[in-house]
Amino acid sequence: ELKVEQNPLFLSMQEGKNYTIYCNYSTTSDRLYWYRQDPGKSLESLFVLLSNGAVKQEGRLMASLDTKARLSTLHITAAVHDLSATYFCAVDMGGGADGLTFGKGTHLIIQP
Amino acid sequence: NAGVTQTPKFQVLKTGQSMTLQCAQDMNHNSMYWYRQDPGMGLRLIYYSASEGTTDKGEVPNGYNVSRLNKREFSLRLESAAPSQTSVYFCASKRVLNTEAFFGQGTRLTVV
Repeated sequence: ELKVEQNPLFLSMQEGKNYTIYCNYSTTSDRLYWYRQDPGKSLESLFVLLSNGAVKQEGRLMASLDTKARLSTLHITAAVHDLSATYFCAVDMGGGADGLTFGKGTHLIIQP
Repeated sequence: NAGVTQTPKFQVLKTGQSMTLQCAQDMNHNSMYWYRQDPGMGLRLIYYSASEGTTDKGEVPNGYNVSRLNKREFSLRLESAAPSQTSVYFCASKRVLNTEAFFGQGTRLTVV
């Protein structure tokens, strides 16, 4: 059974600081996705990582994938309040099944 | 483009009642999915449809049925609602493997 673990699950940080969210998964996969969810809203796709060593950046967010370590990171640089949200990583189920297995999410609060 | 549209947005059911959640996408995507989101649990896959005419069980299919009516529409039916089915339900679609899934706005269902 595929397991996806994120940590931390809750993070409160100050504006201007840097931090990293970690996503570990339990099976071989070279496809990992990051999503953002604002309270009461839908999920918005942030990054699609499709190979070992993939790195993608958008504004103050950068995501990377290490398939050998089964680890993805989402790095936040010089955080701003607008980045407050819940961030999910998700991995393709594989094994003939379609769909994603999600981590439990990281609830990020950025305080002025 | 509307993307993925779900109806209704909110619903309250009594235990034992039935209802159908509707989902339609206008992006000509092949695959469609139903997830449920519970506090602190991330999203869990209920059913998916990899193409028109096919459906498969996901991680938590018990108590649900689905119909892929055509390429655009994928409905989720609760035949006899139970309080354990109180959740936020998301429909999603994607074009092919290795691409991100797009999510609807969600249906907040309460079973009393």
